[in-house]
Amino acid sequence: EAGVVQSPRYKIIEKKQPVAFWCNPISGHNTLYWYLQNLGQGPELLIRYENEEAVDDSQLPKDRFSAERLKGVDSTLKIQPAELGDSAVYLCASSLGQATDTQYFGPGTRLTVL
Amino acid sequence: QQQVKQSPQSLIVQKGGISIINCAYENTAFDYFPWYQQFPGKGPALLIAIRPDVSEKKEGRFTISFNKSAKQFSLHIMDSQPGDSATYFCAAEGGSQGNLIFGKGTKLSVKP
Repeated sequence: EAGVVQSPRYKIIEKKQPVAFWCNPISGHNTLYWYLQNLGQGPELLIRYENEEAVDDSQLPKDRFSAERLKGVDSTLKIQPAELGDSAVYLCASSLGQATDTQYFGPGTRLTVL
Repeated sequence: QQQVKQSPQSLIVQKGGISIINCAYENTAFDYFPWYQQFPGKGPALLIAIRPDVSEKKEGRFTISFNKSAKQFSLHIMDSQPGDSATYFCAAEGGSQGNLIFGKGTKLSVKP
C-alpha cells in the first residue's frame, strides 16, 4: 500500500515569492493534516481536514498561508508571499478519521527561503 | 505554553545498552500518548502508544512506562542497536483540541 505522497521534496525560493506544496493521502483516509516542523523541533499542526472541511485551522497564519482539499482527497498548502522565517519542513499526514487513529506521515517538503 | 516537555534533547548509548527518554505533560485531558520515530529525510512514524488506563506497554524491545499521577511517561529501548539511531518524539492527544501535541524530540545515537 502506498504511503502519503508529498511533492516537491525540496523547494528553494526567494523571499516574497509564492510557493505551493501538494499532498496525496493514503487511500481511504478521511482526515488530512498539515504540520510545520522547524529544525530540531517536533511537528506543529497547521490545519486539519475532515474530508473537505477544515475543522481546525486555528494555527494557520491566514495572512499568508492558505490550504484546500478539493473532493476530500488531495490537498495543497500555499504560502504567499514567503518570508525567511518560513524555511522549514512541511509535513502532511493522514488517518482514517477516528479519534486517536494512527497518523501516517509523508516524507515532507523542505522549504528554503532565501 | 509547552504542553509536552521532553528530555533529554540528545542521548548517546552504547550498542546493547538501554535508552530512556522522558516526557511530562500538563493537560489532564490528554488520553493518548504515542511515541514517533523519525529518520533523517523521512516523516515521523508511529513506534508505540499507550492510554492512561495501563501503566506499561511493551512491544519487542520498546516499552512505554506511564505514571498518571505524576503526568509523566517514558520510552525505554532495550538492547539498543545502531539502527535505532533516530529522533524520537513523544506526543499527547485528547481533550477539546483532539490534536497531537508533540514534544521537541530526542536525538538518539547508538554507538557500535
